[in-house]
Amino acid sequence: AQTVTQSQPEMSVQEAETVTLSCTYDTSESNYYLFWYKQPPSRQMILVIRQEAYKQQNATENRFSVNFQKAAKSFSLKISDSQLGDTAMYFCAFMKHATNAGKSTFGDGTTLTVKP
Amino acid sequence: GAGVSQSPRYKVAKRGQDVALRCDPISGHVSLFWYQQALGQGPEFLTYFQNEAQLDKSGLPSDRFFAERPEGSVSTLKIQRTQQEDSAVYLCASRDLSNQPQHFGDGTRLSIL
Repeated sequence: AQTVTQSQPEMSVQEAETVTLSCTYDTSESNYYLFWYKQPPSRQMILVIRQEAYKQQNATENRFSVNFQKAAKSFSLKISDSQLGDTAMYFCAFMKHATNAGKSTFGDGTTLTVKP
Repeated sequence: GAGVSQSPRYKVAKRGQDVALRCDPISGHVSLFWYQQALGQGPEFLTYFQNEAQLDKSGLPSDRFFAERPEGSVSTLKIQRTQQEDSAVYLCASRDLSNQPQHFGDGTRLSIL
């Protein structure tokens, strides 16, 4: 079974600054996907960024980038130039790479507050 | 449709009552998932459908929980004889192809009094 751990329950950052959210996971799988999702107070979970484990290059989406360390089973999210709209709960998630990939396993989340 | 639609958005029920939660996935999405999210925690997997087939129901916490997707589109999660510990947000997600990210609905917040 896979586990996902987010060790920072809450974080805050000043607007325009950079913040990094941590995530570690445990799996015996060699090929898998990792995701960061954002859940604002309105509750809908939105995909921020995804990483395929067999790709060594770290994924980037505009102000969001990841630091994927496969050997260490670490997958951190960096948010640059933080904006007030980035305030939300952020979840790290794991999914096996398979024909019937099935479920994702989520961490317990990090609540990020961006301060003006 | 434009997104995953869940109804009702809020549901209040007395302990012991049965409830039914509905999920309308994105049109054409083959896979459908139900998750339970307790306050301040991440979503916990309940069950997974591929078309009308329920491929994984390992996360259903008890036999009071039942899910169906009879025509491979809309799904219903039913909870019988509700208990206070069933209070949570129930999230539905759909996906078109394997290994693609899931698209989530807004969830149903269930409160059991």
